Amino acid sequence: QKEVEQDPGPLSVPEGAIVSLNCTYSNSAFQYFMWYRQYSRKGPELLMYTYSSGNKEDGRFTAQVDKSSKYISLFIRDSQPSDSATYLCAMTSSRFYAGGTSYGKLTFGQGTILTVHP
Amino acid sequence: DAGITQSPRHKVTETGTPVTLRCHQTENHRYMYWYRQDPGHGLRLIHYSYGVKDTDKGEVSDGYSVSRSKTEDFLLTLESATSSQTSVYFCAISGSGGPGDTQYFGPGTRLTVL
Repeated sequence: QKEVEQDPGPLSVPEGAIVSLNCTYSNSAFQYFMWYRQYSRKGPELLMYTYSSGNKEDGRFTAQVDKSSKYISLFIRDSQPSDSATYLCAMTSSRFYAGGTSYGKLTFGQGTILTVHP
Repeated sequence: DAGITQSPRHKVTETGTPVTLRCHQTENHRYMYWYRQDPGHGLRLIHYSYGVKDTDKGEVSDGYSVSRSKTEDFLLTLESATSSQTSVYFCAISGSGGPGDTQYFGPGTRLTVL
């Protein structure tokens, strides 16, 4: 079983729709949660970052973390064709390992392909 | 792309040949990472570096080696390429390596092993 599960989609929605993207995870040590956006043939770029449980809003984007359920979500309001991309969830813990740090070891979901059509 | 370049951007090679991919950064960041991205698997960490000459294995390190002789360069070597190593390879950098530290990704190298 993968540590992080993400529905790969693909997801196709009309412009203006509310989009919900989700990930579940099994490692209770995860405390830092991120959403990356990746356009076709490009590298991922950080979209949202959340520490522990709660909500975070940035413009049309809202990230939610429910640690009790081991479930995170990304909501996109008023979706635009420019939002068409692959969205990857990622998470990490703060546990330190000797010989180096484990801090930077992100665990990614498989990514969800989103298309917003005009 | 946060001052990160990868070379080559595309490569086709044959099974059994050695291949070296280069990541170059101009941000003077301490941490550098190599990931591979495959359908159904997302991004998986191959190796990472936490300083010059300091490297450690990720979750899929078999068949790969890395070297970092300068802050700005991180090399990934496939010692004897296999078809299972056909993938898109991404380099990433971060300043502190801390859990809340943003990782910035390069544009990727698309590698095909025939």
